Amino acid sequence: QLQLQESGPGLVKPSETLSLTCSVSGGPISSNSYYWGWIRQPPGKGLEWIGTIFYSGSPYYNPSLRSRVSISLDTSKNQFSLKLTSVTAADTAIYYCASAYSSASTFDYWGQGTLVTVSS
Amino acid sequence: SSELTQDPAVSVALGQTVRITCQGDSLRRYYASWYQQKPGQAPLLVLYGRDNRPSGIPGRFSGSTSGNTASLTVTGAQAEDDADYYCNSRDSGGNLVVFGGGTRLTVL
Repeated sequence: QLQLQESGPGLVKPSETLSLTCSVSGGPISSNSYYWGWIRQPPGKGLEWIGTIFYSGSPYYNPSLRSRVSISLDTSKNQFSLKLTSVTAADTAIYYCASAYSSASTFDYWGQGTLVTVSS
Repeated sequence: SSELTQDPAVSVALGQTVRITCQGDSLRRYYASWYQQKPGQAPLLVLYGRDNRPSGIPGRFSGSTSGNTASLTVTGAQAEDDADYYCNSRDSGGNLVVFGGGTRLTVL
């Protein structure tokens, strides 16, 4: 059973870069069976998919965020990361990392989520 | 279309049956997955594929798809089912992931 845990700053200034890491335990992120994704949820609102990466493929991103987002894997640390540039208050949200087994859209394990606030 | 549409709110009497729907063109090609989210918690996968429940999810949760509409049915709703429910799937092109706007289920 996988366990995922997000980490990173809880406060980011406008125009700066949001950086989060998801630590995975219980299985290797180099597995060809799993996709690794980031999803966010603004306070009081619904879920928004940010992007997904597969070990042996290129990441793919929400078109609305594509120009600002990047997701990468660090197999040496069994982690994957999210970077979102030029943030604004609209990027304030709970950020979740999640795994998807065999189907890129079925997220079976989730981290607990981390609140990132964009404010000066 | 890359959108999935859900009713904002649905209510059900305790012990009765309720259906939560999710509409979108991509559902003609891809199955929906369903997530339950309670306040302050991460989403929990409750249904995926044709009608599959992860280990630990009660049998009162079931799913179906007809045309462009996926449904999550709760048969004999319990107080603990009071939560937000989200559907998601791939988009019509297959490379992107989309979420519905969510349905607030109230168990009366």
